[in-house]
Amino acid sequence: EAGVTQFPSHSVIEKGQTVTLRCDPISGHDNLYWYRRVMGKEIKFLLHFVKESKQDESGMPNNRFLAERTGGTYSTLKVQPAELEDSGVYFCASSQDQGQGNNQPQHFGDGTRLSIL
Amino acid sequence: GENVEQHPSTLSVQEGDSAVIKCTYSDSASNYFPWYKQELGKRPQLIIDIRSNVGEKKDQRIAVTLNKTAKHFSLHITETQPEDSAVYFCAGGGGSARQLTFGSGTQLTVLP
Repeated sequence: EAGVTQFPSHSVIEKGQTVTLRCDPISGHDNLYWYRRVMGKEIKFLLHFVKESKQDESGMPNNRFLAERTGGTYSTLKVQPAELEDSGVYFCASSQDQGQGNNQPQHFGDGTRLSIL
Repeated sequence: GENVEQHPSTLSVQEGDSAVIKCTYSDSASNYFPWYKQELGKRPQLIIDIRSNVGEKKDQRIAVTLNKTAKHFSLHITETQPEDSAVYFCAGGGGSARQLTFGSGTQLTVLP
């Protein structure tokens, strides 16, 4: 079974440019999460999809970040325009369907290391 | 929202010794507590998790304990080996929140 895959593995762009990150979850996983780790700090939640619907986007820093999951399969996270503080590692994770009050294990991708110059 | 604190931030042990990492959480509604291991440049890997209806769980050399009353949980690694060296993250989730709230990580170094 393929794990969570993310593309690209590394992106270097200049401030003001646009970058789009992609995540392919494990096949059959309805839940897809985006997280970010900035400058060696803790991994922080950005948003959660259930299939194609945004379940919780309370962690999105501002309106420069736009996430989509058309068709409920892969997801993209676009940053436009990128700012210096957006640098960090962006992780995607997926999990199976969750019953009420019953978290399922989240499986992480390798992450995309984003560097804003 | 949930807040998870993790200690220590760095931990060095001799090969063969035990390592203990501790975390506390703030939201009494949290009921799921996974631990992830992240080696340099690799993905966070789930190594063990515990749910709030259980006080302890073991898997070979690793174990996790949970004290719901005190709202803290710990990771125990026995007979440490150099390949255990990595950053370990605790996390809390569940209740109304499906996302995980992570601790700040512990850099574990096992000295040969």
